[in-house]
Amino acid sequence: DAGITQSPRHKVTETGTPVTLRCHQTENHRYMYWYRQDPGHGLRLIHYSYGVKDTDKGEVSDGYSVSRSKTEDFLLTLESATSSQTSVYFCAITAVGQPTINYGYTFGSGTRLTVV
Amino acid sequence: KNQVEQSPQSLIILEGKNCTLQCNYTVSPFSNLRWYKQDTGRGPVSLTIMTFSENTKSNGRYTATLDADTKQSSLHITASQLSDSASYICVVSARTGTASKLTFGTGTRLQVTL
Repeated sequence: DAGITQSPRHKVTETGTPVTLRCHQTENHRYMYWYRQDPGHGLRLIHYSYGVKDTDKGEVSDGYSVSRSKTEDFLLTLESATSSQTSVYFCAITAVGQPTINYGYTFGSGTRLTVV
Repeated sequence: KNQVEQSPQSLIILEGKNCTLQCNYTVSPFSNLRWYKQDTGRGPVSLTIMTFSENTKSNGRYTATLDADTKQSSLHITASQLSDSASYICVVSARTGTASKLTFGTGTRLQVTL
């Protein structure tokens, strides 16, 4: 997806290990988001950032932490991965906090994480 | 609690046929409603966005409608193509302070066959 990349695209990890997912954008957008997508659920917000070093929790933040030291990078860390964190993780960016006709969300291609 | 419900969960249609996907929501205060298309293994891509005052919005063969009174939206796909096979997600935005609150539906998985 133009202007936003996620890495890695796929990862398999063992229960109890730390995992960091990276979202990189080239759009210079202020807002960045991490979502998870699971069968039977809509995308759910984990954490978001409204500027460098400014982050806040979403609805499913337990077990996750984030960091944003640069405008272009937003990292999602699972401190000690559990099987319930097996999911597809999407990063999204937007220029403004309130999506409008002209400013919407751009999503990355996702990271498929499997915790075994 | 804000909720977005979509129907049907899945749908199979023949190429060239039309179809309509439904979205009912209970989100407040309402800001806007978007329909996204998500291809397998990809992130969602916006198709249309509608605000409170709009009741129809088209994007090529995709036409979205919004009835803010009944809190219902539909996405109509005309003359379907194989490339329309994807999940279609209804997303409703609630106006908040620092950042908008999005509520996502679980999507309708559409398969277009020959």
